[in-house]
Amino acid sequence: QKEVEQNSGPLSVPEGAIASLNCTYSDRGSQSFFWYRQYSGKSPELIMSIYSNGDKEDGRFTAQLNKASQYVSLLIRDSQPSDSATYLCAVSSGSARQLTFGSGTQLTVLP
Amino acid sequence: IAGITQAPTSQILAAGRRMTLRCTQDMRHNAMYWYRQDLGLGLRLIHYSNTAGTTGKGEVPDGYSVSRANTDDFPLTLASAVPSQTSVYFCASSTSGEEGKYFGPGTRLTVL
Repeated sequence: QKEVEQNSGPLSVPEGAIASLNCTYSDRGSQSFFWYRQYSGKSPELIMSIYSNGDKEDGRFTAQLNKASQYVSLLIRDSQPSDSATYLCAVSSGSARQLTFGSGTQLTVLP
Repeated sequence: IAGITQAPTSQILAAGRRMTLRCTQDMRHNAMYWYRQDLGLGLRLIHYSNTAGTTGKGEVPDGYSVSRANTDDFPLTLASAVPSQTSVYFCASSTSGEEGKYFGPGTRLTVL
């Protein structure tokens, strides 16, 4: 059984701070990693993808991947109240490349 | 149509009834997926289709069926609904070679 684990939170950070969201996965053969943002009552929205070890930056978002530790994280710099949402980690593995999702971390950015 | 549409937006259904959730995309994506999302359990894959004419089972396929007659449409059918199928259902799609999924707005289904 492939597992993706996230701290469910809630995680609260003040406006302007860095929010750090973490995810671990069980399948060492996992190849692709994704972060989705989901606002309450809305559908998930893909915000970051990462495929190789290291950091990948896109605006205020940085995804970090460490395959040896089976760990992927998302950093949100200069957090804004509009970043308040649930963040879902997803991992792709196997020949069918199906995604396995974590249960999500709820982030609240306090004004 | 822009992106992925799902219908209905929400539905209350008596147990034992048959129900089809509709999903249509206009992005010409090859692959389409159905997920259910339950509190504390995240998104779980029900069925998928890598291309028109083919389908496959996901993590939680029991009680559901799908068909993929063309590229754009991927309906999900509950043959005889049970209360444990109460959930939010999301349809998603992606292009070949891209694994990131684009999600529809969801259908909130309540089975009584």
